[in-house]
Amino acid sequence: GQNIDQPTEMTATEGAIVQINCTYQTSGFNGLFWYQQHAGEAPTFLSYNVLDGLEEKGRFSSFLSRSKGYSYLLLKELQMKDSASYLCAVMDSNYQLIWGAGTKLIIKP
Amino acid sequence: ETGVTQTPRHLVMGMTNKKSLKCEQHLGHNAMYWYKQSAKKPLELMFVYNFKEQTENNSVPSRFSPECPNSSHLFLHLHTLQPEDSALYLCASSQDQDQSSYNEQFFGPGTRLTVL
Repeated sequence: GQNIDQPTEMTATEGAIVQINCTYQTSGFNGLFWYQQHAGEAPTFLSYNVLDGLEEKGRFSSFLSRSKGYSYLLLKELQMKDSASYLCAVMDSNYQLIWGAGTKLIIKP
Repeated sequence: ETGVTQTPRHLVMGMTNKKSLKCEQHLGHNAMYWYKQSAKKPLELMFVYNFKEQTENNSVPSRFSPECPNSSHLFLHLHTLQPEDSALYLCASSQDQDQSSYNEQFFGPGTRLTVL
């Protein structure tokens, strides 16, 4: 079966750095997405990786290793507004998105 | 604002009621999706429409009935639901389906459904 694993919850301090990991086993691979979802709101797109390596976008970076079935989302200079759930999703060979259960990130002052 | 709106935002219904959820996208997209989101579970894809044609139905019970009258509107008709159907129902749209490996989906805010 297809599976996406990510931690259920993480806690970090304002101003610090946090890394959220995602491992996957899917039938085929056509890219990996990270979405942010604040409580009661729509998921919003953060990043897309299809090739190995690091993609940087401001305070957020996303890394992919296809050989290891592994990705991480790196958040720097954490702000209170970064408190949210972070969803990892992989597009499989049928171009369907397979979703992880999300990581709830709690930022403390 | 993501360009995808959903109504109502909250819905409480009894098991014998019939109700409909509405989704509208203002992005000129051709693919629309219904997802179910339950607490601490992955998003579950329910239905996909591409150019108004249903392309996916992921073994969803018949008490959920989708309708896509045009590329901008998507409905989910509900009848004789069960308490375990209580969840957040999210609508999403994308440029189209299958055409490329990069196909960002834009989500609406969801309808929080409670079945009593």
